[in-house]
Amino acid sequence: DAGITQSPRYKITETGRQVTLMCHQTWSHSYMFWYRQDLGHGLRLIYYSAAADITDKGEVPDGYVVSRSKTENFPLTLESATRSQTSVYFCASSTSGRLGYFGPGTRLTVT
Amino acid sequence: ELKVEQNPLFLSMQEGKNYTIYCNYSTTSDRLYWYRQDPGKSLESLFVLLSNGAVKQEGRLMASLDTKARLSTLHITAAVHDLSATYFCAVDASNFGNEKLTFGTGTRLTIIP
Repeated sequence: DAGITQSPRYKITETGRQVTLMCHQTWSHSYMFWYRQDLGHGLRLIYYSAAADITDKGEVPDGYVVSRSKTENFPLTLESATRSQTSVYFCASSTSGRLGYFGPGTRLTVT
Repeated sequence: ELKVEQNPLFLSMQEGKNYTIYCNYSTTSDRLYWYRQDPGKSLESLFVLLSNGAVKQEGRLMASLDTKARLSTLHITAAVHDLSATYFCAVDASNFGNEKLTFGTGTRLTIIP
């Protein structure tokens, strides 16, 4: 099925653990993004990618790592999770000047 | 630093009424997006506005862009309960079309029967 998927949908982890959130899209969109959504802050861009092997920081990149070896995948890794990274994470994809599509989100809790 | 401000933040309105949500941004841009989010759900793309004077309409929603005033509006006509949601505007200020969006904090719209 065409679309954008995220996994896992829910994750509970402990402080200091490494966590990877997966994102997969089937449209071959060139742009992919990771946002976090927190009450009072709206959506904030963590990282984005304009194409495979091209990534750049967004507004809040500290503590996160991304890679994009294939156009369709854009994993986000929390190297050492902290409680402040408890959030809902959305992956999105788009082509320039067109409406983007958001994944269903991953609700991450760091204890 | 780009700032995107929406107002009102909360809006409660009766069915059948008209209202407008405003999105102001602080730097030059001719790319503005509107999204809808239902509680506990993801974001749904509504409109993309790519030039000064652009107007897009879908059903009871109409969005417009005034790049000179750095203002976009989302107008709701004859509101119905199904339109209850949080609406976000987002601005791409890169001028390169790299799609790095800065979001407003959202307007939570509640339609009262």
